[in-house]
Amino acid sequence: DTAVSQTPKYLVTQMGNDKSIKCEQNLGHDTMYWYKQDSKKFLKIMFSYNNKELIINETVPNRFSPKSPDKAHLNLHINSLELGDSAVYFCASSRFSYNSPLHFGNGTRLTVT
Amino acid sequence: GIQVEQSPPDLILQEGANSTLRCNFSDSVNNLQWFHQNPWGQLINLFYIPSGTKQNGRLSATTVATERYSSLYISSSQTTDSGVYFCAAVSGNTPLVFGKGTRLSVIA
Repeated sequence: DTAVSQTPKYLVTQMGNDKSIKCEQNLGHDTMYWYKQDSKKFLKIMFSYNNKELIINETVPNRFSPKSPDKAHLNLHINSLELGDSAVYFCASSRFSYNSPLHFGNGTRLTVT
Repeated sequence: GIQVEQSPPDLILQEGANSTLRCNFSDSVNNLQWFHQNPWGQLINLFYIPSGTKQNGRLSATTVATERYSSLYISSSQTTDSGVYFCAAVSGNTPLVFGKGTRLSVIA
């Protein structure tokens, strides 16, 4: 199936740990994103990569580090997890940069205890 | 940056009813999209509609860029339409900015 897929779907971990979320798209898109959805359902962009190059880095703590080994993959590594990092993280992709339809993965629900 | 406001925040409908969701934005846009987040959390792109009108089955969307609004019309609502509907806009060279959503509950 053509899609944006991210793993894991659920992630429960303790404060201070380091974790990673992986994302892959087989749509042939050039641009990939990480969005964070908080408990009130508000969606906010964190990072945007175009053809493996970082083009957006919103005000996100530097404990969050994206890595794009190729244009089909965008992973998110989080160091020293904090309670406030609990949220749903969505990977997304679009064919070109911002002016084309956005396709989301199914999300990763991160719970920090 | 651009502000995106959606109304109403919550909506309860009887199955079979029609509804219109509204999205107002504070600046000119070159990209406007509507998404549906179902009760399982999946975000589905409904429309890419920077201007004009599009229809997809029982759903249609209209964007009037000069008046800085977009609307999503749902006809003959079904329980599977329940969820949160998001509008998102791009102004200039910035990524999509999302509104806070309209939570729709369709009751059988």
